[in-house]
Amino acid sequence: DSGVTQTPKHLITATGQRVTLRCSPRSGDLSVYWYQQSLDQGLQFLIQYYNGEERAKGNILERFSAQQFPDLHSELNLSSLELGDSALYFCASSASGGQAKNIQYFGAGTRLSVL
Amino acid sequence: SQKIEQNSEALNIQEGKTATLTCNYTNYSPAYLQWYRQDPGRGPVFLLLIRENEKEKRKERLKVTFDTTLKQSLFHITASQPADSATYLCALPTDKLIFGTGTRLQVFP
Repeated sequence: DSGVTQTPKHLITATGQRVTLRCSPRSGDLSVYWYQQSLDQGLQFLIQYYNGEERAKGNILERFSAQQFPDLHSELNLSSLELGDSALYFCASSASGGQAKNIQYFGAGTRLSVL
Repeated sequence: SQKIEQNSEALNIQEGKTATLTCNYTNYSPAYLQWYRQDPGRGPVFLLLIRENEKEKRKERLKVTFDTTLKQSLFHITASQPADSATYLCALPTDKLIFGTGTRLQVFP
């Protein structure tokens, strides 16, 4: 168990809908990262938050947004969903500092299916 | 831009043999490199971190090398077991951690 909790484990929804994925980092970790992993692609970095502030951004679509709350949990919001958004979404956390070299601890992921 | 290449073809080896996976990178000179293991449908799990001045790092049956001249890291699993079957990802830090696409290892009895 990595200590990173993601909910829900599975999500099935329709095109055009909006969903929210939730992540609780390991106790004490200030950095949260979001990744997307599709069947035919590797782990794609979406966004990083450090202690409530956006730290780094990847190729995150404008339809996607995220935030980190004062209790350090994070939410990833996906809107106007398309079939191509179907993927595994992972959250990871790392120790204070939020530097890229830090080891990341991943949650079990949320499997999103857009029908 | 930085690019990481891992052999996309699966590596099939017999139990007891040594598995060697390759990670090549270009347009970059990282000070660190990490290796993760990912099982199907699960999140990656950190295995080893190696620094540019370490050349080699070991942990139990795992060994990682880091050749900054060749811009390559090798990941070895000695005395491989079926339980080692998984996808192995290398990752390099830039302003964020960039992951390779991974190499799937299958160890058969």
